[in-house]
Amino acid sequence: QKEVEQNSGPLSVPEGAIASLNCTYSDRGSQSFFWYRQYSGKSPELIMSIYSNGDKEDGRFTAQLNKASQYVSLLIRDSQPSDSATYLCAVNRANQFYFGTGTSLTVIP
Amino acid sequence: GAVVSQHPSWVICKSGTSVKIECRSLDFQATTMFWYRQFPKQSLMLMATSNEGSKATYEQGVEKDKFLINHASLTLSTLTVTSAHPEDSSFYICSARGRAGELFFGEGSRLTVL
Repeated sequence: QKEVEQNSGPLSVPEGAIASLNCTYSDRGSQSFFWYRQYSGKSPELIMSIYSNGDKEDGRFTAQLNKASQYVSLLIRDSQPSDSATYLCAVNRANQFYFGTGTSLTVIP
Repeated sequence: GAVVSQHPSWVICKSGTSVKIECRSLDFQATTMFWYRQFPKQSLMLMATSNEGSKATYEQGVEKDKFLINHASLTLSTLTVTSAHPEDSSFYICSARGRAGELFFGEGSRLTVL
């Protein structure tokens, strides 16, 4: 079983809609959780971090963590074409980082 | 967030030559840095963990004699690809851990070996 699993997509949403990205992790000992955005040909960029159960909002982004169900999600409100990228979920456990394979998001104008 | 700078951003070299990539943490000290490799349309692959003042820890399957890592200071780690071959062509990305435990990535270095 992989440490971190994501649906590879592609996920397509129309401009202005909410994009919902999901991630599950296998080890309950995981301590902190991150979402990265990676544009084609570029390195990953940290967009959200979340450490406790519940929601964390930053602008158009909301990260949600449910430790009991071992899932993390990222909501992007009012999606823009510039949000088109691959989104990587990452989990930190015992000072080791584990990355999902990423979900490709396309926002259609 | 923290700034990690990588240089060069792209390099083309002939087969058999060596290439050095630098990774710097600009506004914080990083005792540990991480080197990743990413092939087109594939996920990040951790190659090694670079520890300041000590030997790097390599992931299984990564040749330590081919990918030399030096972390001589708290702000600089280097990756040298020795005797590069076309199959080493890839996107190499370094990262460092910030104060809250998050990873910040450099811009990446695209290596093309002819």
